[in-house]
Amino acid sequence: DGGITQSPKYLFRKEGQNVTLSCEQNLNHDAMYWYRQDPGQGLRLIYYSQIVNDFQKGDIAEGYSVSREKKESFPLTVTSAQKNPTAFYLCASSIDRGNTGELFFGEGSRLTVL
Amino acid sequence: GNSVTQMEGPVTLSEEAFLTINCTYTATGYPSLFWYVQYPGEGLQLLLKATKADDKGSNKGFEATYRKETTSFHLEKGSVQVSDSAVYFCALSSSGSARQLTFGSGTQLTVLP
Repeated sequence: DGGITQSPKYLFRKEGQNVTLSCEQNLNHDAMYWYRQDPGQGLRLIYYSQIVNDFQKGDIAEGYSVSREKKESFPLTVTSAQKNPTAFYLCASSIDRGNTGELFFGEGSRLTVL
Repeated sequence: GNSVTQMEGPVTLSEEAFLTINCTYTATGYPSLFWYVQYPGEGLQLLLKATKADDKGSNKGFEATYRKETTSFHLEKGSVQVSDSAVYFCALSSSGSARQLTFGSGTQLTVLP
């Protein structure tokens, strides 16, 4: 079945370490997104990519980095520069680069900094 | 800029009760409006959508009507079930925006048997 796969589901990190969250989709979607979700808050956009080898910062990009070397993959690195990285991270994709608004989400990765 | 305001939760109802979750928005132009649902430990799923004024989106017994005059998109269900317990997010997408969605803060719904 087509979908979005995020891994790992749970991740623990010591302060000062970089970690990379994986996101793979087999929906043949052009656009991919990373959101951060904190308790009691809506989703905030970290980065998005409309096409391979291109990506743009969202509202809270500081302390994060991404790459888009393949259409299917959009990994997110949480760097040591991110001051408060403990959160639930959601990857999503959409069929085009426009504004259909219909996103398909993965099941998320929960990052905890010890 | 765009924004979405949802009623604050948590909302707790008994099974078969009527549900309303309020959502109002601010946007330029003519946005599309969405409700997404997040079940515990999962990502979000699209529940329903409406792309123009007076459209009604519906799915799984849930309904919402795009009201441009009141800039609202309230979610309703006539008889909730325990399995409807989840977090509900209202969202909008503005024409021409590649950034896609602006989300509300979410409303936690718990349905008791």
